[in-house]
Amino acid sequence: QVQLVQSGAEVKRPGASVKVSCKASGYIFVSYYIHWVRQAPGQGLEWMGVINPTGGVTTYTQKLQGRVAMTRDTSSSTVYMELSSLGPEDTAVYYCARDYSASGNCDHWGQGTLVTVSA
Amino acid sequence: QSALTQPLSVSGSPGQSVTISCTGTSSDVGAYNYVSWYQQHPATAPKLMIYDVNKRPSGVPDRFSGSKSGNTASLTISGLQAEDEALYFCCSYAGGYTVKFGGGTKLTVL
Repeated sequence: QVQLVQSGAEVKRPGASVKVSCKASGYIFVSYYIHWVRQAPGQGLEWMGVINPTGGVTTYTQKLQGRVAMTRDTSSSTVYMELSSLGPEDTAVYYCARDYSASGNCDHWGQGTLVTVSA
Repeated sequence: QSALTQPLSVSGSPGQSVTISCTGTSSDVGAYNYVSWYQQHPATAPKLMIYDVNKRPSGVPDRFSGSKSGNTASLTISGLQAEDEALYFCCSYAGGYTVKFGGGTKLTVL
């Protein structure tokens, strides 16, 4: 069965970076784009960006340009999302989700990773 | 990039129908037939309920339906059940491999 398994919760200081992983299984890894979406406590969903696992091409939301980087390792079917210069506003649950056409139709999601930014 | 606009909350009694709207612009909802809807229960990941405006993934009850007119998409849930109480988010492709979400609507089953 299709699974996206994310790394565990993180606590970071302001100004630090965090790297969250998303390991895919149960399907052909390079056939689906992976989006990253975050949700601050009690808030809505915020799209962060998408990566094409085939060539590693990425598109990021303008809001996070320069602070976010998405990469992939095809040998382990894993996608990574690194966010730098963390501030309290980055405290959120971070989700990865797969999408066949990068159109926003995400049929499987990871379990979410809580990132807490606190001094 | 502004979020899509959804009502904060809607409610209905068991067996009734409710409709949640999602308003975007001619650059996102109005430009593409790539609107999806997600259901999220507390402390769980979102679940895809509708994709490509009006298609249902396997396993989603046919009580859930989607439509679009101009820059506004809608999710209708008929025959409301207690388990439908959740947050609902719309999502639209916005060109250039970018995606937007709505702010979310809390559905309360009275």
